Amino acid sequence: AQSVTQLDSQVPVFEEAPVELRCNYSSSVSVYLFWYVQYPNQGLQLLLKYLSGSTLVKGINGFEAEFNKSQTSFHLRKPSVHISDTAEYFCAVSPGGNKLVFGAGTILRVKS
Amino acid sequence: KAGVTQTPRYLIKTRGQQVTLSCSPISGHRSVSWYQQTPGQGLQFLFEYFSETQRNKGNFPGRFSGRQFSNSRSEMNVSTLELGDSALYLCASSLGSNRADTQYFGPGTRLTVL
Repeated sequence: AQSVTQLDSQVPVFEEAPVELRCNYSSSVSVYLFWYVQYPNQGLQLLLKYLSGSTLVKGINGFEAEFNKSQTSFHLRKPSVHISDTAEYFCAVSPGGNKLVFGAGTILRVKS
Repeated sequence: KAGVTQTPRYLIKTRGQQVTLSCSPISGHRSVSWYQQTPGQGLQFLFEYFSETQRNKGNFPGRFSGRQFSNSRSEMNVSTLELGDSALYLCASSLGSNRADTQYFGPGTRLTVL
């Protein structure tokens, strides 16, 4: 079965600093990987996804992620965060059909 | 295009009652998936419907059921509510039932069971 581990439950960072949110997955088959963001009292919004091809994936709002097959990781990065990036971020894998298996989430707290 | 809409947004029920939640997908989308989000268990997949057929089912008891109509709108029903069913229920729609398809989420229905 496919699973996702998000290594940090909370990440505090100062505004304009870089950030990395870590995600590791386990899978015995080819993986499709996703990062979603959830703002308070809202649903989830797709930031980016990896299906195949280039291992560096660029998404919305200046985020990017790198797929590393040997490390089974899909870490999310942003070079300079803003207060508005404060939210919860979820890494997910798609084992089949439209089922998504999510990690536990990482709360990003951007401080001024 | 309008996004995914879910009704109602908030719901309070008591133990033993049943509840029906509704989801209207983005126009043209034929797949609807449901997820339960709780602080303890996180985001868990309930089921997926595509062209009125259940395609995938998560590991939930039979009290949780769903259906999809010919216009792709979907409903989920929870019977004999338990306190542990209190959660945010999220619906997501996508064009098809391919694992590469992007799922677009609605704002959710927050269910509180007293």
